[in-house]
Amino acid sequence: DAGVIQSPRHEVTEMGQEVTLRCKPISGHNSLFWYRQTMMRGLELLIYFNNNVPIDDSGMPEDRFSAKMPNASFSTLKIQPSEPRDSAVYFCASRTPGQEKYFGPGTRLTVT
Amino acid sequence: DAKTTQPPSMDCAEGRAANLPCNHSTISGNEYVYWYRQIHSQGPQYIIHGLKNNETNEMASLIITEDRKSSTLILPHATLRDTAVYYCIVRVAPGNQFYFGTGTSLTVIP
Repeated sequence: DAGVIQSPRHEVTEMGQEVTLRCKPISGHNSLFWYRQTMMRGLELLIYFNNNVPIDDSGMPEDRFSAKMPNASFSTLKIQPSEPRDSAVYFCASRTPGQEKYFGPGTRLTVT
Repeated sequence: DAKTTQPPSMDCAEGRAANLPCNHSTISGNEYVYWYRQIHSQGPQYIIHGLKNNETNEMASLIITEDRKSSTLILPHATLRDTAVYYCIVRVAPGNQFYFGTGTSLTVIP
């Protein structure tokens, strides 16, 4: 298995632009998580899905952020419009019930 | 999820055992102790977890005190590639998310 796949690995965009981050979980995993990591706040859980259904999005910073999981093998995290304070590394993780999470390599987002 | 406390940083000589402590004095009876690590510029990596008994796998050993208020992650023969931030987390059985704290930055010294 290739593990959790994220794209792009790096994204540089200007303030106000729309950003879409993509994640392909490990096949057979039914839970998917989006995290954001910054020096100031560490690793924060943004949202997680069970069986493609959003369970808890209380960590999503504000309405500019949205996440979807149209099927078991794909999820997106969208920021519209993006702001410089959104600059961070965004991780996607997946797991099966009772098992550990497997994290992707992350997307490093820079908003100028 | 219960709160955990870890030292912010530690050093360990290459080839020696690295012992990373974690306090979780408010842990509940049904909460597990999990350890993850994050090597620079990579995603967090699962290491080991346990409930009451000590656990060992190919990566590390986990020693949990009898009162379960603290635990120690042991890397028996640290290598330079073990330099990373190590996170101790407590969480309820499957179905719940959990949150990373600030962790311990371990530096393995040649």
